[in-house]
Amino acid sequence: SQKIEQNSEALNIQEGKTATLTCNYTNYSPAYLQWYRQDPGRGPVFLLLIRENEKEKRKERLKVTFDTTLKQSLFHITASQPADSATYLCALTAYGNNRLAFGKGNQVVVIP
Amino acid sequence: EPEVTQTPSHQVTQMGQEVILRCVPISNHLYFYWYRQILGQKVEFLVSFYNNEISEKSEIFDDQFSVERPDGSNFTLKIRSTKLEDSAMYFCASRKGQGTSYEQYFGPGTRLTVT
Repeated sequence: SQKIEQNSEALNIQEGKTATLTCNYTNYSPAYLQWYRQDPGRGPVFLLLIRENEKEKRKERLKVTFDTTLKQSLFHITASQPADSATYLCALTAYGNNRLAFGKGNQVVVIP
Repeated sequence: EPEVTQTPSHQVTQMGQEVILRCVPISNHLYFYWYRQILGQKVEFLVSFYNNEISEKSEIFDDQFSVERPDGSNFTLKIRSTKLEDSAMYFCASRKGQGTSYEQYFGPGTRLTVT
């Protein structure tokens, strides 16, 4: 069956350090992969998109890598700030459809 | 900056009642979606809508659910006879759909509580 797995344990990180989150998937052929941020009781907010033929994407303090051989994406927040505390969701879109299939998300807590 | 809006923010209903959740997608977007998130669980796709018809739906989206774009701005989700297990946050999303714009923009959600 298709699975998108993110670490269920919260990541506690000191302000200024780099937070790294992992998204692993099985039985998908993703056309592209996206990362979203979700705050409690709010809708997901789009952060970055990376296509299956791209290795890395950056946006300000955020960086995403995509390895289709390992079936894995890494999401990095550099110079983390308390305002980065949230849950980060990995979402895949497979060829032939336009739905987003989400992982359960990984909570990040940035400690001042 | 344009946003997706949803009303109401919270809806409480009794089991068996019909509910309509409303969304106003971003005005120049072409694709519209409904997702739901049961408390503590992942965001799940329900349905996508393009060119005035359903383009894709999940196994969750059974005959109890329907969607409509009654005018040029609103997009609604109707649940005909609510069940306890329909209690969740319901998110509307829209996508520009032109060129290579694949990111989706989500509304703030409607919390549906079925008692």
